[in-house]
Amino acid sequence: AQSVTQLDSQVPVFEEAPVELRCNYSSSVSVYLFWYVQYPNQGLQLLLKYLSGSTLVKGINGFEAEFNKSQTSFHLRKPSVHISDTAEYFCAVSEAGYSTLTFGKGTMLLVSP
Amino acid sequence: GAVVSQHPSWVICKSGTSVKIECRSLDFQATTMFWYRQFPKQSLMLMATSNEGSKATYEQGVEKDKFLINHASLTLSTLTVTSAHPEDSSFYICSAREDSSNSPLHFGNGTRLTVT
Repeated sequence: AQSVTQLDSQVPVFEEAPVELRCNYSSSVSVYLFWYVQYPNQGLQLLLKYLSGSTLVKGINGFEAEFNKSQTSFHLRKPSVHISDTAEYFCAVSEAGYSTLTFGKGTMLLVSP
Repeated sequence: GAVVSQHPSWVICKSGTSVKIECRSLDFQATTMFWYRQFPKQSLMLMATSNEGSKATYEQGVEKDKFLINHASLTLSTLTVTSAHPEDSSFYICSAREDSSNSPLHFGNGTRLTVT
């Protein structure tokens, strides 16, 4: 069975500072990895995904993530955050294409001025 | 891009009544849709996989008679919470993907259900 661990439930950061949101997964087979963002009272929006190929994946809103197979990690990074990046971020894994996603518990990114 | 529309965005109902939530793929066909439930400050928990033209597949612990799912067409799935109770109050989110091998999941904006 697959699982996702997001170690930080909340990450406070100042505007224009860099940020890294951590995600580790476990699976017995090859995986696809995703990061989603959720704004209050809204659904989820796909930030980026890793299917295969280059381990550095660039997404929307200036975010990027790096797949590290040896460390089973897929950490999300942004070099300079904005107030508008304040939201909940979910890491997710799929073992069979997109048929079923398993989500982490989420990390609340709090950007303050 | 692909859009998933979920309706209503919020609903308040009395205990014992039933509530229907719709999930539509607006510009693509979706053989499979997914229903999630999200408790405050928690992650999304998959409730069931909705399959067009056949019965839904429920996750362990989800009552199929409580949460009725109907996937009548390639663009519409509905979730009906029957005989709702306050403990059913939650945020329900649907998702769908285009019927091709490399399509991502697209999520609706969710429905906030409050049972009084």
